[in-house]
Amino acid sequence: DTEVTQTPKHLVMGMTNKKSLKCEQHMGHRAMYWYKQKAKKPPELMFVYSYEKLSINESVPSRFSPECPNSSLLNLHLHALQPEDSALYLCASSQELTEETQYFGPGTRLLVL
Amino acid sequence: SQQGEEDPQALSIQEGENATMNCSYKTSINNLQWYRQNSGRGLVHLILIRSNEREKHSGRLRVTLDTSKKSSSLLITASRAADTASYFCATDLGGFKTIFGAGTRLFVKA
Repeated sequence: DTEVTQTPKHLVMGMTNKKSLKCEQHMGHRAMYWYKQKAKKPPELMFVYSYEKLSINESVPSRFSPECPNSSLLNLHLHALQPEDSALYLCASSQELTEETQYFGPGTRLLVL
Repeated sequence: SQQGEEDPQALSIQEGENATMNCSYKTSINNLQWYRQNSGRGLVHLILIRSNEREKHSGRLRVTLDTSKKSSSLLITASRAADTASYFCATDLGGFKTIFGAGTRLFVKA
């Protein structure tokens, strides 16, 4: 299995809602990543997990809360988002943190109303 | 912060023609990668070139790296309509961060 899956594919939420994005991989990768991508822009790194521990937080607002329950799963909990948070959220994984090649999921397209 | 700058921003060619995209970066790197993204989808890794390499091939892809000029190019030969996508270069800044360039949107007309 060489796939990174993300659910849901699309999500519409209000500014007072709480929702979660999920990412899963079964490649035995020990590093997992969250990226945010606005339209016609490159992906921007948000968080990096290595061996289920948070390694990098790129000064992301606290309304985004990552969680890595086990080596195959990565969640992104969303609370009190703003309309400007609407974007494509991409999850990726790599064999190790030092492994350069990342495998991306298809993304969750988020719309905050 | 954006490490890589790509040009052109958009490129439209006929099927069968070659497409060349360029990437420039600002700081020293260990490697440079190229990814492809179909509209609204995840990124697909195409090729990685290390700082001590000058050229690399993979199928119809040819990547060059000039560390003295801090630039790289991606050449797609004999393009196909299915090559229509956005192409991003990505560099490592050390500290295990991957930074993507602004991207080139390629449109291949059948």
